[in-house]
Parts: sequence; C-alpha cells; structure tokens
Amino acid sequence: GAVVSQHPSRVICKSGTSVKIECRSLDFQATTMFWYRQFPKQSLMLMATSNEGSKATYEQGVEKDKFLINHASLTLSTLTVTSAHPEDSSFYICSASEVRGTSNEKLFFGSGTQLSVL
Amino acid sequence: DAKTTQPNSMESNEEEPVHLPCNHSTISGTDYIHWYRQLPSQGPEYVIHGLTSNVNNRMASLAIAEDRKSSTLILHRATLRDAAVYYCILRERTGANNLFFGTGTRLTVIP
Repeated sequence: GAVVSQHPSRVICKSGTSVKIECRSLDFQATTMFWYRQFPKQSLMLMATSNEGSKATYEQGVEKDKFLINHASLTLSTLTVTSAHPEDSSFYICSASEVRGTSNEKLFFGSGTQLSVL
Repeated sequence: DAKTTQPNSMESNEEEPVHLPCNHSTISGTDYIHWYRQLPSQGPEYVIHGLTSNVNNRMASLAIAEDRKSSTLILHRATLRDAAVYYCILRERTGANNLFFGTGTRLTVIP
C-alpha cells in the first residue's frame, strides 16, 4: 500500500530556533498534501493544504509566516516552524492524497513528528 | 467544520464484535464517509470509506443508513490491537477535499 514517510519523528529545540519537518510520499505522486497539528488528548486540527507547485492554503488562525510550507515536488512537502516557542510544542502530522479533487480517494498519513520547544 | 458526531468512548470485550456509530445529518449527496483510526503517538490509519452502499474490507465493514445521515463501523472481532481512537469523517467533493477531524471515539478493548 501507499506509504507516507515523515521525518523527524521527534525533535527537541530551543526557543527561537526553526525546525523543518519533511513529508514524503514513497510510492505515489502526491498532488495534494495536508498538515495537521494535534495537542494531547485532542483531535487533529488542519493547519494548511498544499498543492504541488503552488502556494499553500492556510486555515483560519494559522500564521503563514510562522508555519512555512513548501511543496516543490510531487513527492515532498516540508513544514518549517519558524522561531519556535513553547506553545508550538505539539504533534505535527502530514497526509497525502494521490489524486487532486477526488473525495473518493483515501488519505495516507505520516507517522507524525513530536515537537518539543524548550 | 467537522460535521460528524460520535460517542466519546466505547468499550468492547476482546474477540467480540464492535459497532461504532456516527451521525452525519448534514451530509450532502456527494460526500464520502471515511473512517480512520489513530493509535497512540502515531498518525491516523485508513480503515474504510463509502458513499451509499455498505462496504467490506479486511479490516472492517461499513454500514451506511439508507438516508446516509448515519453510518456504523463494524469490527467483527475486536482484538487488543484495535484499541484506538476512531474518526468518522466526511470528505467533501467540493473544495480542497481535505479531512476535518471531529473528536472521534476512543475504543477500549478489554482482554
């Protein structure tokens, strides 16, 4: 089955530094990738949707200058948390869809990245 | 944005069937019903999805009401590895086709 690889699985950083999280589709071309954030004991919250070769669409309340998303190829999307602060500590999850614009297609999820900002 | 309602938690005995309900009374005619589950500290995993007809796969069955305003995920024989949070989600045909997650149902399997 289709696999989405997400790295790193865990990262600890100092406040004020930037962290990059990678999401790769290993055996299919992901025209659309989604980034979610999940706080403990809560559900996933959609942060942004990125389509290959175009700017990401951010959900309301998500700062696009703080959470930089790049989707330069059909197999790779990156999320960079800039100037991270302790309140950014969370579990970040990416997902990918093979076909754009088709609600019949299932999504494949990465294993998540636990970000801890000291 | 989440348009589904699920019980917060359910329990099942091991090796017994489990029926996880989901209400989606505002579903539109082109929305697909997706089910995903999430184990602790992992990303969600696809379980099953459907539009109108009941669906079966190796993991589970999906029973969709005739009016499509509710559905039930059926695990035929619960195992300890099935303990997870199960999310029932509508994937819209219009818009970005992303998935908005509700609170889900936390399934506890009792040995």
